[in-house]
Amino acid sequence: DAKTTQPNSMESNEEEPVHLPCNHSTISGTDYIHWYRQLPSQGPEYVIHGLTSNVNNRMASLAIAEDRKSSTLILHRATLRDAAVYYCILRDVGYGGATNKLIFGTGTLLAVQP
Amino acid sequence: GAVVSQHPSWVICKSGTSVKIECRSLDFQATTMFWYRQFPKQSLMLMATSNEGSKATYEQGVEKDKFLINHASLTLSTLTVTSAHPEDSSFYICSAREYSLDNSPLHFGNGTRLTVT
Repeated sequence: DAKTTQPNSMESNEEEPVHLPCNHSTISGTDYIHWYRQLPSQGPEYVIHGLTSNVNNRMASLAIAEDRKSSTLILHRATLRDAAVYYCILRDVGYGGATNKLIFGTGTLLAVQP
Repeated sequence: GAVVSQHPSWVICKSGTSVKIECRSLDFQATTMFWYRQFPKQSLMLMATSNEGSKATYEQGVEKDKFLINHASLTLSTLTVTSAHPEDSSFYICSAREYSLDNSPLHFGNGTRLTVT
C-alpha cells in the first residue's frame, strides 16, 4: 500500500474548525483515502473515505486535492470529544490490488483545548 | 450501525498460560476479520487476517503457532495467545468489514488489554 505522511500532533480550540492534512504523493489511481480516529483506550472508529471528489458526512468533510497527492480531513467545530489520534490510510481496491486490510501509519494526535 | 464486540475487555494472566480473545460481529456477517496489536504510544500493527472456514493469513514476523486464530463462523473469530510472556502484554484489537465491497469501512472492537505477569 502507498504511504501517507501526517503531522505527529496538532492543537485546536473547542468550537473552531480543524484541518488535518495528509500527504500521499505515491497514491495510485485505485487507492481510496480512508480516515479513522482512535480515542484513548478504544478501538479505531471510521470517519470518512473518498476517491476523487470531496466527501461530507455527519462527522467530517474530506477535501481531496485535484492531483490526489494530498487530502485534508475537516472537523467543522471541534469538541473535546474529538481529541484523538487521526489516521489517514490508503487502500488499493483495484484489480490485483493488495487486500481488504488496513495498514495504519503513525497518525496525528489532535489535542482540543477548551 | 454495525457493531463489533470484543471480549474480554481486559485480562491479566500468568506467564506460560494461554489466553483466548473473542471477536464477534453483532448484527452482520463477516467472512473476514482482522487482528491488530498496539503497544503503548504506538500505532496499530496488523497481525493477521482471519478467514471464515479457512486458515488465517499472518503478517510477516507474527508467529502463527503462538497466536492461534480460529474463525469458525461468520460472526465469531478468536485469537489465542499461547504460552503468554510479559512481552505479549499489549492492546489487541479486532475488526471486521460489514459488506463484501473492498472499499467499505472496517468496524473495530474496543480492544482487549492483555497483561502478562
